Amino acid sequence: DTGVSQDPRHKITKRGQNVTFRCDPISEHNRLYWYRQTLGQGPEFLTYFQNEAQLEKSRLLSDRFSAERPKGSFSTLEIQRTEQGDSAMYLCASSLRSSSHTGELFFGEGSRLTVL
Amino acid sequence: RKEVEQDPGPFNVPEGATVAFNCTYSNSASQSFFWYRQDCRKEPKLLMSVYSSGNEDGRFTAQLNRASQYISLLIRDSKLSDSATYLCVVPNSGYSTLTFGKGTMLLVSP
Repeated sequence: DTGVSQDPRHKITKRGQNVTFRCDPISEHNRLYWYRQTLGQGPEFLTYFQNEAQLEKSRLLSDRFSAERPKGSFSTLEIQRTEQGDSAMYLCASSLRSSSHTGELFFGEGSRLTVL
Repeated sequence: RKEVEQDPGPFNVPEGATVAFNCTYSNSASQSFFWYRQDCRKEPKLLMSVYSSGNEDGRFTAQLNRASQYISLLIRDSKLSDSATYLCVVPNSGYSTLTFGKGTMLLVSP
């Protein structure tokens, strides 16, 4: 399967713990995006990389959130000191060209986080 | 006005019905618009783009009304497999990524 892959698919953690999610984009895609989705809502933009450069971060991305894409390939999203409000599906997407022009974002199946 | 707004539904329709969803957007300068489909517990996938002249793909037709700043999606001859959430998508104000609406849920029943 050469699509976007995310790991882990599910994570249950206690409040206050740190969690890290990994995303492997489609190999030739230089753009990588993180979104968050809660029940009944559409995906909400968190951050965006072009190659290894983090070009944009949403106001939703508090200081407890950090994302990296060190070699311009896979990316990690870390949440420190998790809170119950962090419970959501974290979606990674990648694209070859600017998504705002093509509309094409290829999403992974997501990493579901439950904070107890 | 929010960047993109949709009626969450659900829209309950019988097989074979025609159903239409509207979505309003706030950025009058937006040039591109899209509809995504998201099945239950699955990731969103691009359904179709919305061109100024409209766009038709089989049973699906997307239209743009710039004057009123809304886009629409029309589904003819609904199938059970059309049951999903349809997400209206527009570029963000900086044209760096995409902003998703909350989605409209469609339930097609036998």
